[in-house]
Amino acid sequence: AQKITQTQPGMFVQEKEAVTLDCTYDTSDQSYGLFWYKQPSSGEMIFLIYQGSYDEQNATEGRYSLNFQKARKSANLVISASQLGDSAMYFCAMRLNSGGYQKVTFGIGTKLQVIP
Amino acid sequence: DAGVIQSPRHEVTEMGQEVTLRCKPISGHDYLFWYRQTMMRGLELLIYFNNNVPIDDSGMPEDRFSAKMPNASFSTLKIQPSEPRDSAVYFCASSEGGGGEYGYTFGSGTRLTVV
Repeated sequence: AQKITQTQPGMFVQEKEAVTLDCTYDTSDQSYGLFWYKQPSSGEMIFLIYQGSYDEQNATEGRYSLNFQKARKSANLVISASQLGDSAMYFCAMRLNSGGYQKVTFGIGTKLQVIP
Repeated sequence: DAGVIQSPRHEVTEMGQEVTLRCKPISGHDYLFWYRQTMMRGLELLIYFNNNVPIDDSGMPEDRFSAKMPNASFSTLKIQPSEPRDSAVYFCASSEGGGGEYGYTFGSGTRLTVV
């Protein structure tokens, strides 16, 4: 079974500061992918960043980076230089890559509020 | 590309009525997913299709729920009869080859309210 844990229900960050959103996962599989999605108040789900379990480098996409620590089974999202538009719910998700199976499990999310 | 298109955006229906949610995936995407989002349970995968064939429907709550994908450009999720506990936001998402490093593209969702 796969499980995603996000322990921070809500976070506040000052505009222009960096913030880390925590995510830990549990799986016995060796091949998997980790994702982060953003859900603004308008409701749509926006894909942010992906990390494969065999990727040696931490993934980066613009102001987003994923701090991947495989031994600790953590995949924290780091947002640098926060902007007001970053205020949203953030979901960590995992997909197992075995046998072509495509089930993605989502965490319960962290609500980020950026303060001017 | 217009992205994943879902309709309607909002649906209010009375308990016992049939509800049909619709989804048009991105052209060329061979995977289609239906998710349900509630405050209590978060995002749950209901069912997913690969090349129009249902692969895993283990997340479908009960027999009142059914999903079809008659062709590569259209899918429906039907609830019959609807109940108040079905109230949620229903998302459709699609991907090419399971998403890989590009994740899924989600539609805007259908907010269903059953009264």
